[in-house]
Amino acid sequence: GQQLNQSPQSMFIQEGEDVSMNCTSSSIFNTWLWYKQEPGEGPVLLIALYKAGELTSNGRLTAQFGITRKDSFLNISASIPSDVGIYFCAGQRERSQGNLIFGKGTKLSVKP
Amino acid sequence: EPEVTQTPSHQVTQMGQEVILRCVPISNHLYFYWYRQILGQKVEFLVSFYNNEISEKSEIFDDQFSVERPDGSNFTLKIRSTKLEDSAMYFCASSGDGYEQYFGPGTRLTVT
Repeated sequence: GQQLNQSPQSMFIQEGEDVSMNCTSSSIFNTWLWYKQEPGEGPVLLIALYKAGELTSNGRLTAQFGITRKDSFLNISASIPSDVGIYFCAGQRERSQGNLIFGKGTKLSVKP
Repeated sequence: EPEVTQTPSHQVTQMGQEVILRCVPISNHLYFYWYRQILGQKVEFLVSFYNNEISEKSEIFDDQFSVERPDGSNFTLKIRSTKLEDSAMYFCASSGDGYEQYFGPGTRLTVT
């Protein structure tokens, strides 16, 4: 089946630092989504990307849809303690094929 | 802000028993999904449902699983004869456009 390679697996950063994580795939996706999950909770949608090359921001978060449609990255600027959690990328091939394929996640820890 | 809700939050059952996990999707959404997440692993797609029928299902979604939308608000996942390996968090998600999927808080299923 399709796999998404998400890196890094984990990050330990100081409050105020910027963070970057990415996802790559051997297959093309038409939609990329980024989610954050906190312990014991469901994934929360952060950003959705629909077009190759698209750059979208949501507050301190910025995500881009790669030109090849096989990758995406998420940046968090000026991290704060509440950014702690696991960040997942998810790709979708077609709306009619509803399933999201998730990466394995990037666990972010922020030291105050 | 509208949310996906799920009940129960935690279900403990004995191997071989039937369980029904319940979800109330966001009210004007048309696309519904079930995913599962084994502890510490990535989120995996089970099934998508649109226009009162299954639109896609994964290999995990075998004959032991079924979904139903019994009325205008609920969406259920039934596991007929639970196995130990069915222990996981089960997430319901819904979407208004088939792209952005919003997840519920999950049901933790423990099979003993």
